[in-house]
Amino acid sequence: ETGVTQTPRHLVMGMTNKKSLKCEQHLGHNAMYWYKQSAKKPLELMFVYNFKEQTENNSVPSRFSPECPNSSHLFLHLHTLQPEDSALYLCASSQDSGTPFPQYFGPGTRLLVL
Amino acid sequence: GQNIDQPTEMTATEGAIVQINCTYQTSGFNGLFWYQQHAGEAPTFLSYNVLDGLEEKGRFSSFLSRSKGYSYLLLKELQMKDSASYLCAVLDSNYQLIWGAGTKLIIKP
Repeated sequence: ETGVTQTPRHLVMGMTNKKSLKCEQHLGHNAMYWYKQSAKKPLELMFVYNFKEQTENNSVPSRFSPECPNSSHLFLHLHTLQPEDSALYLCASSQDSGTPFPQYFGPGTRLLVL
Repeated sequence: GQNIDQPTEMTATEGAIVQINCTYQTSGFNGLFWYQQHAGEAPTFLSYNVLDGLEEKGRFSSFLSRSKGYSYLLLKELQMKDSASYLCAVLDSNYQLIWGAGTKLIIKP
């Protein structure tokens, strides 16, 4: 398998549920990112990990909890979400954060919160 | 504040040429990226410009003018498969990517 993969591709959850999104990259990169993409809005950076260390948390609510066990895997744990959290969640990786290397994206998880 | 502006939507004809503009105001500049995103799919990297001028890559070219805070993506010999959103993003002085909202390009036969 190549590139960046994400599971699940689609997720419907209630506001009291707990779920996790998974991302895996097979590119040998050291940096991984979580983005939120809402219709007609710019990509919103949520979290950045570089060499497994979190380097960025863009004022994301605590109902979103990231985990990066190694440079190839990234998780986003979700609990007590709100309907406005419904969006496409994209994972990306790059050679290193803080450098001009391009980011490579996974296909995203389409999340609907009821 | 930091800002990236690009048109919301453009329409062009198969076989024609289209230019998608992007203007930016950011804290510092370490390069500008263009990405293509088909509906329901991942954004894919198209180009990176850090110096002024035109970079050509097959049917796609990207231009940068740092003094004007301006870039464009030029698509030639348009094909139906080029229907997608095109995202402009600038790497600021902290090497953080600032994204535009994207331009949806519709290609008509």
